[in-house]
Amino acid sequence: DTAVSQTPKYLVTQMGNDKSIKCEQNLGHDTMYWYKQDSKKFLKIMFSYNNKELIINETVPNRFSPKSPDKAHLNLHINSLELGDSAVYFCASSHQSSAGELFFGEGSRLTVL
Amino acid sequence: DQQVKQNSPSLSVQEGRISILNCDYTNSMFDYFLWYKKYPAEGPTFLISISSIKDKNEDGRFTVFLNKSAKHLSLHIVPSQPGDSAVYFCAASANDYKLSFGAGTTVTVRA
Repeated sequence: DTAVSQTPKYLVTQMGNDKSIKCEQNLGHDTMYWYKQDSKKFLKIMFSYNNKELIINETVPNRFSPKSPDKAHLNLHINSLELGDSAVYFCASSHQSSAGELFFGEGSRLTVL
Repeated sequence: DQQVKQNSPSLSVQEGRISILNCDYTNSMFDYFLWYKKYPAEGPTFLISISSIKDKNEDGRFTVFLNKSAKHLSLHIVPSQPGDSAVYFCAASANDYKLSFGAGTTVTVRA
């Protein structure tokens, strides 16, 4: 059983489109995250939810909207996609609300044409 | 502004020898440090961590050293094995729900 699963793994789309990436964790963790790995390979936090409440919102354009229907799910919706949104997006979860040992999904590679 | 830096993008080491990966940080508020390992097409996986109250933590073949005065940490892998070939990320936290990551070091273990 995959602990943190993301779908889709690959996504190719045109500029201006709206897309979503879904994430689910079966570890019973109370905190979930979205990280973005850009072309320079840095992993940067975008959002974090603790028990469905937003606790971290880094300086991310408001075209990105996370949604957590329950503590096992954290989805990422992106409106009006731009070329610069092309990246690998990683979902992660952790047991405690303080940053520590994160369990990552396999990543979703988004390519905007 | 990257607060965690891994200045060596790659490292090649012979099987059985020691791999030493370095990491520097700038934020003096960081109090917890971690190393993650990543294989292609997979997410990073936690490897080892160290709290700022320690200067060394060992787990099997992996040892992390922390030098707070120099704002420097290192990961030692000994002996290196082919399965250790991966990208290694250094990460740090100021206990504020966020991890700051370095850009990673690609380790290649030669047979």
